[in-house]
Amino acid sequence: EIVLTQSPGTLSLSPGERATLSCRASQSVSSSYLAWYQQKPGQAPRLLIYGASRRATGIPDRFSGSGSGTDFTLSISRLEPEDFAVYYCQQYGSSPYTFGQGTKLEIK
Amino acid sequence: QVQLVQSGPEVKKPGASVKVSCKASGYTFTSAGINWVRQAPGPGLEWMGWISTYTGNTNYAQKFQGRVTMTTDTSTSTAYMEVTGLRFDDTAVYYCARDYYGSNEYWGQGTLVTVSS
Repeated sequence: EIVLTQSPGTLSLSPGERATLSCRASQSVSSSYLAWYQQKPGQAPRLLIYGASRRATGIPDRFSGSGSGTDFTLSISRLEPEDFAVYYCQQYGSSPYTFGQGTKLEIK
Repeated sequence: QVQLVQSGPEVKKPGASVKVSCKASGYTFTSAGINWVRQAPGPGLEWMGWISTYTGNTNYAQKFQGRVTMTTDTSTSTAYMEVTGLRFDDTAVYYCARDYYGSNEYWGQGTLVTVSS
């Protein structure tokens, strides 16, 4: 199974700053089948990015995804107060469709 | 609008079974598969498997093979997931999610299953 390792574990930033989250796969993710999710306490995850770089419906353009193969990045250009949450990557190119352990984005 | 509404919380004893339902609305049920994902206490998500709402074909994570059964009832636009032989470490929030080319586009609200003696 493909293991996804997210870094950093916790990222402390201020509103208005840029966030860069990393997701590294133990083997190549086929066809860039990589998604990013945002989860806030007590809520279900929310799809942000699929296909490594495609924004899901209704997702603001300050969220962007990039990467291929084994290295993927989620960038948030200007952090808004509502962006502070836990972020997960998931690969769905090879069953089982594994998730990373998450990056917590907290207010500095 | 697309909605997935799951059944309520459950408390089960070790060795028992639980069946969680996921009722879909706002779209054609058979147009997209359903994934099941669970989240044990603390962070971390675990994909359990997928079912085609059109054919009934399934793809289970090997970890859950033999203990999990996913089914659908197209007449009521409802997906079900049953877990047998519950263990303490099956305590988790179980989510259904509408499949979007393998990713999870819309999610249910989650169902807390607690395994306790």
